Amino acid sequence: GQNIDQPTEMTATEGAIVQINCTYQTSGFNGLFWYQQHAGEAPTFLSYNVLDGLEEKGRFSSFLSRSKGYSYLLLKELQMKDSASYLCAVRDLGYGGSQGNLIFGKGTKLSVKP
Amino acid sequence: KAGVTQTPRYLIKTRGQQVTLSCSPISGHRSVSWYQQTPGQGLQFLFEYFSETQRNKGNFPGRFSGRQFSNSRSEMNVSTLELGDSALYLCASTRTSGRGDTQYFGPGTRLTVL
Repeated sequence: GQNIDQPTEMTATEGAIVQINCTYQTSGFNGLFWYQQHAGEAPTFLSYNVLDGLEEKGRFSSFLSRSKGYSYLLLKELQMKDSASYLCAVRDLGYGGSQGNLIFGKGTKLSVKP
Repeated sequence: KAGVTQTPRYLIKTRGQQVTLSCSPISGHRSVSWYQQTPGQGLQFLFEYFSETQRNKGNFPGRFSGRQFSNSRSEMNVSTLELGDSALYLCASTRTSGRGDTQYFGPGTRLTVL
């Protein structure tokens, strides 16, 4: 089966660092994505990992361990505008030339407090 | 470059009616995927179209259908609406079917079924 788990909610303080974990069990793996979604808006792409290790992009970093079925998103120097839901998504193996579907976790709602 | 556009943004229908939603991908993107987002289930994959062909389909009943036109624009149709179809419907476009390609989401159509 397909299962992606991430915490439902997290709270952190402005200026701090927060790590959002994601564990997955999928029948195939073709990359892991993190998206940010503000309330009432569309998800926006944050990061992509297909190989083990850390990908850094400004204040955001994402880590992947394929053997453990584990990823995390690290947000540094938190700002109030980072209050949003963070979605972990695994792309499964496609067929017929397709890249595969994105299977999403239910998202982690992050609240940044002053 | 213009992003993914979806019309209409909001829609109210009654049970038993049918609805058609439209999505225009980013210029040059040939793959369009549709997702349903609800508070309880999160983001769930509906189907993917590439070059006017459906290549992937999620676990939704046959009441949900779609198509893609030669200009890559896509429509999805839901017939015999049920209350549970109330959701945010998101369209995402991808340039090709390459492994590293990222899906970019449109703003969504919020459908309310009364």
